[in-house]
Amino acid sequence: EAGVTQFPSHSVIEKGQTVTLRCDPISGHDNLYWYRRVMGKEIKFLLHFVKESKQDESGMPNNRFLAERTGGTYSTLKVQPAELEDSGVYFCASAPTTEETQYFGPGTRLLVL
Amino acid sequence: RKEVEQDPGPFNVPEGATVAFNCTYSNSASQSFFWYRQDCRKEPKLLMSVYSSGNEDGRFTAQLNRASQYISLLIRDSKLSDSATYLCVVNIGYSGGYQKVTFGIGTKLQVIP
Repeated sequence: EAGVTQFPSHSVIEKGQTVTLRCDPISGHDNLYWYRRVMGKEIKFLLHFVKESKQDESGMPNNRFLAERTGGTYSTLKVQPAELEDSGVYFCASAPTTEETQYFGPGTRLLVL
Repeated sequence: RKEVEQDPGPFNVPEGATVAFNCTYSNSASQSFFWYRQDCRKEPKLLMSVYSSGNEDGRFTAQLNRASQYISLLIRDSKLSDSATYLCVVNIGYSGGYQKVTFGIGTKLQVIP
């Protein structure tokens, strides 16, 4: 069974540019989560989709971040315009239900210069 | 105060040693507890869930103390391959059955030959 996949694996952009991260969850997993780890800090929750609906987006840092999950399959996280403090590793995870184990993707390493 | 507190380490132990990590959580509404393992530049992977009665999986033993709000992980007979960062993860319950995942910063373990 294919795991959670994320694209790109790495992204280096300049401040002010736009970047879009993609996550493909495990097939059949209704729950999709985005997390971010800034260097030296703990992994922080960003938001949670149940199918195509945003269940909880309380962790989104500000309105420069936009997440979508059209059709309830893959999800995108767009940062526009990117700032230096957005650098970090962005993880996606999926789970069949909220009570079950979350499976993480390999992450996208974002560096904003 | 952080919701989930862990000693970041590093813990440097010789092969064959027994090592224990603790993790404390602040929210008494926390409902479920996990230890994840994260290898360098990889995604977190579930190591084991933590149950009130305590649970064991080979060389790994997890304990939960709800009264004192802490979780522990004991690793016996450490192997070189156990070197990784161990993340304490807590699911906090909200009204309506919704659960939110909160990570500790992780404890780094280095097993030395």
